[in-house]
Amino acid sequence: AQSVAQPEDQVNVAEGNPLTVKCTYSVSGNPYLFWYVQYPNRGLQFLLKYITGDNLVKGSYGFEAEFNKSQTSFHLKKPSALVSDSALYFCAVRGIDTGRRALTFGSGTRLQVQP
Amino acid sequence: EAQVTQNPRYLITVTGKKLTVTCSQNMNHEYMSWYRQDPGLGLRQIYYSMNVEVTDKGDVPEGYKVSRKEKRNFPLILESPSPNQTSLYFCASSKGIGNLGQKVEAFFGQGTRLTVV
Repeated sequence: AQSVAQPEDQVNVAEGNPLTVKCTYSVSGNPYLFWYVQYPNRGLQFLLKYITGDNLVKGSYGFEAEFNKSQTSFHLKKPSALVSDSALYFCAVRGIDTGRRALTFGSGTRLQVQP
Repeated sequence: EAQVTQNPRYLITVTGKKLTVTCSQNMNHEYMSWYRQDPGLGLRQIYYSMNVEVTDKGDVPEGYKVSRKEKRNFPLILESPSPNQTSLYFCASSKGIGNLGQKVEAFFGQGTRLTVV
């Protein structure tokens, strides 16, 4: 079985400050890891993924995430937050050996960036 | 433009009245799936399809049916909807894995907000 934990329901940060949205996962074998963002009344948009290679992954809109195998974490980061980054963020995992290709999502973290 | 299209976006129906939510993708993706999103639970997979005529249950399949007669379409069918199926539904598609898994990310539709009264 695979699972994802996003321990914070909401993260508040001031505009211009760095932000971190936490994610830990559990999966058999090596993982594919993803971050998605959901704006109000919109579907999920892909932000970035970790497949293999460098542990620091860069994605859309200036976001990046660091894969830490020993801590089974994949935290989302951005050096300087924008008000427009306010949205609901989902971490997702899939085991590489999982034939189903099913993504398991975390419960989501609402990011609120204050002006 | 590459996209996944769901219809309708909003639907209010009564208990027991059969309904279908359509999903279509224009990216020639093999893999398609349906998720429901509920507060505090994230997204949970309902059904998935690896290719035409190949479907299987996800984590929460009870009360739902799907079909995959064509590669681009993957409708979700609720034969007898109940209030506990009130939720936000998303269709997603993705390409095959490839040698290094480059194309594994899923593309999502805009969502269908279903209310069953």
